Amino acid sequence: GENVEQHPSTLSVQEGDSAVIKCTYSDSASNYFPWYKQELGKRPQLIIDIRSNVGEKKDQRIAVTLNKTAKHFSLHITETQPEDSAVYFCAAFYSGYSTLTFGKGTMLLVSP
Amino acid sequence: NAGVTQTPKFQVLKTGQSMTLQCAQDMNHNSMYWYRQDPGMGLRLIYYSASEGTTDKGEVPNGYNVSRLNKREFSLRLESAAPSQTSVYFCAIGVRTGGEGRYFGPGTRLTVT
Repeated sequence: GENVEQHPSTLSVQEGDSAVIKCTYSDSASNYFPWYKQELGKRPQLIIDIRSNVGEKKDQRIAVTLNKTAKHFSLHITETQPEDSAVYFCAAFYSGYSTLTFGKGTMLLVSP
Repeated sequence: NAGVTQTPKFQVLKTGQSMTLQCAQDMNHNSMYWYRQDPGMGLRLIYYSASEGTTDKGEVPNGYNVSRLNKREFSLRLESAAPSQTSVYFCAIGVRTGGEGRYFGPGTRLTVT
């Protein structure tokens, strides 16, 4: 089945810096890659997603890039703010089995 | 429009006790999922239901059973709880064009002593 590796497991940045979280996936047939943000004690919420026919997608301060050849995708957050502090999960969807596999998460801490 | 609801929010069980976690959605989506979340392990799929009347095992199904009661409701049952089942349980529905995305319920925090 699909395997998703996520790095780093923790990331500390200063307010205003950029943050990058990287994920790799194993199955070249995966075709949908969402990112979720989970604040402490809350449910995971979708923040951005990208399909395999697109290389980059941007939404205000967040962007996702996809390299299908290398089988990796990344989340970029610019001008970080304390409210960006949360755990972020990447995931990969394999249509063959209709399964969405999650990475183990990255705890992002943004210090004022 | 409540989206996805889960009951209870918190539960403490003793080893060997049984309980059912309830999930309901009012978004009229076909697929529903049960995940467990443990520290450092991400979200792992327990069972899912692609449509009313069907259920399938996910990555970690042992010790659990499910029922897709109707299109709205998908329950998760622990027949004989074990401390290893201490976790946060999330129900989710499949969203986006082909159901690839997940919209999660608020979660149930379960402790088994």
